[in-house]
Order: sequence, then C-alpha cells, then structure tokens
Amino acid sequence: EAGVAQSPRYKIIEKRQSVAFWCNPISGHATLYWYQQILGQGPKLLIQFQNNGVVDDSQLPKDRFSAERLKGVDSTLKIQPAKLEDSAVYLCASSRMGTGTYEQYFGPGTRLTVT
Amino acid sequence: GENVEQHPSTLSVQEGDSAVIKCTYSDSASNYFPWYKQELGKRPQLIIDIRSNVGEKKDQRIAVTLNKTAKHFSLHITETQPEDSAVYFCAAGGGADGLTFGKGTHLIIQP
Repeated sequence: EAGVAQSPRYKIIEKRQSVAFWCNPISGHATLYWYQQILGQGPKLLIQFQNNGVVDDSQLPKDRFSAERLKGVDSTLKIQPAKLEDSAVYLCASSRMGTGTYEQYFGPGTRLTVT
Repeated sequence: GENVEQHPSTLSVQEGDSAVIKCTYSDSASNYFPWYKQELGKRPQLIIDIRSNVGEKKDQRIAVTLNKTAKHFSLHITETQPEDSAVYFCAAGGGADGLTFGKGTHLIIQP
C-alpha cells in the first residue's frame, strides 16, 4: 500500500510571495488533514476534510491560507501572501473513515522557508 | 478546544533502562490518544495508540496507560535501545477528528 505523497519536499520563497503544496492521500482514505509543524513544536491542525467537504478549519488563518480537495482525493494548500512566521513543515495526513478506525498516517511533509 | 501538556521536554536515560513520558489533556470528550515517534527530518510515525474504553495497551517494549478520571496518559518504553532516540509526541482527539499534539519529548539514549 502506497503511503501519503506530498510535493514539493522543499520550498524557499520571499515574504509576500505565494506558494502551494500538494497532497495525495492513501488510496481509500476519505479523511485528509493538513498540519503545520513549526521547528521544535508538535504538529498543529490547520484543516480537516471528509471526502471533499471541510469538517474543521477553525485554526486555518483564512486571510492568507486556503485549501481545497476537489473530487475527494488530492488536496492543495495555498499561502498568499506568505509571512516569515509561516516557515514550517506542512504535513498532510489521511485516515480511513469508519467506525473505530482512527489511525492517521502522515506524509513526508513540505519544508517551507520564508525569507 | 483541546489542550495537551507533555512532560518532560527532554529525557536522557541509560541504554537498557526504562523511559516514561507523561501527558495531560483538557477535553473530556477526547477518546483517542496516539503516540508518534519523529526522527530528525522525518515524518511522525504512529507507534502505539489507546482508546478511552481501555486502560492499558502493550506492544513488545512499548506500553501506554490511560487514566480518564485524571485526564492523563503515559508512554512507557522498557529496555531502551539506541534506535529509540527520537522526539516523541502525544496527541488527543475525538476519534476521526483532527489531533491536538503535545510539544514533544526529546528522548536521548545514552550508551
């Protein structure tokens, strides 16, 4: 079974520029999460999708961050415009929807550096 | 929302000794408590999890205990080995919901 795929793996941009990240979850996983992990901290949930609908985006800075999951499979996370404090690893995770099925599997992440 | 506190932030143990990491959570609705291991530059890897209807779970050298009344849960690693060195994160969530993570514990295994 292939794992969660993410691209790019690394990205360096200047502040005020825009950037987009892509995630392909494990096949058959209906739930997809985007987390932000700042250096030295635990991952922080940004947004959760169930199929192509948003379940929770309460911690997403909506003035600059946006995310979509068209057709309930791949997802993109966009930042526009970027700030220095957005430097972090952006992790995508997926889980299979179903009673008692809670395990979340993480992708390798995209390391973003904003200069 | 949920708040997860994790202690200690750094733990150094001799190879072969046991290591214990403790977490507390605030939301009594949380019912799923996973532990992740993250090596430098790598993705978090699920190592063990426990649900609120269970008090203890063990998998070889790793065990997790949960006290719902006190809202705390712990990770126990016995017979530690050099490859156990990593950052460990506890997390709490409501089943299929997104997880709230602790700040992590850097576990160092001294040879």
